[in-house]
Amino acid sequence: SQQGEEDPQALSIQEGENATMNCSYKTSINNLQWYRQNSGRGLVHLILIRSNEREKHSGRLRVTLDTSKKSSSLLITASRAADTASYFCAPSRSYNTDKLIFGTGTRLQVFP
Amino acid sequence: GAVVSQHPSRVICKSGTSVKIECRSLDFQATTMFWYRQFPKQSLMLMATSNEGSKATYEQGVEKDKFLINHASLTLSTLTVTSAHPEDSSFYICSAYRDRKQTYNEKLFFGSGTQLSVL
Repeated sequence: SQQGEEDPQALSIQEGENATMNCSYKTSINNLQWYRQNSGRGLVHLILIRSNEREKHSGRLRVTLDTSKKSSSLLITASRAADTASYFCAPSRSYNTDKLIFGTGTRLQVFP
Repeated sequence: GAVVSQHPSRVICKSGTSVKIECRSLDFQATTMFWYRQFPKQSLMLMATSNEGSKATYEQGVEKDKFLINHASLTLSTLTVTSAHPEDSSFYICSAYRDRKQTYNEKLFFGSGTQLSVL
């Protein structure tokens, strides 16, 4: 298992704008996952991208992965106030019961 | 979808008492569950890996006798904070992989968390 590091630590935008957050990791991975946490709640899985994929979309979410740079980005388009949350990336080295280590996350605030 | 139920959502107790937190996978089996704790505005810290039918694996620095984990069935893991003290006050979250026979486990399903406040 390894930890991802998210950047920036905090991001404030207006509704309708796009939000981009980045993740860096240190060793080779099998897949990388993004999770969202609303205040005082558990995490919710958003999207998973495999090491042989470069880009993936899910609704308003777009994730990219650059294994040569060991980095990933999460783009939320046309943000809404309901997107206000903390976002965490989790690199994983295997498909099996790999424990996920989370970084400090990106705290996104979307103002109406 | 897969649901992980965590109970209680909030507990307030006196110093010195023990508190049990339950984590249930409602519609799937989970051989492996994970327990995290989180301080305000900080990341989740992995405490231990709970394995059904065997002893939990604790992360470095986590006291085994302080945080007792029991994973007696494929749908239930419990975390007991023994002799709780104010410094144990935190947000505790469990998570689980859904056991699959044909495909790999990939994503974690999380409970909604338990806010423990020790007076």
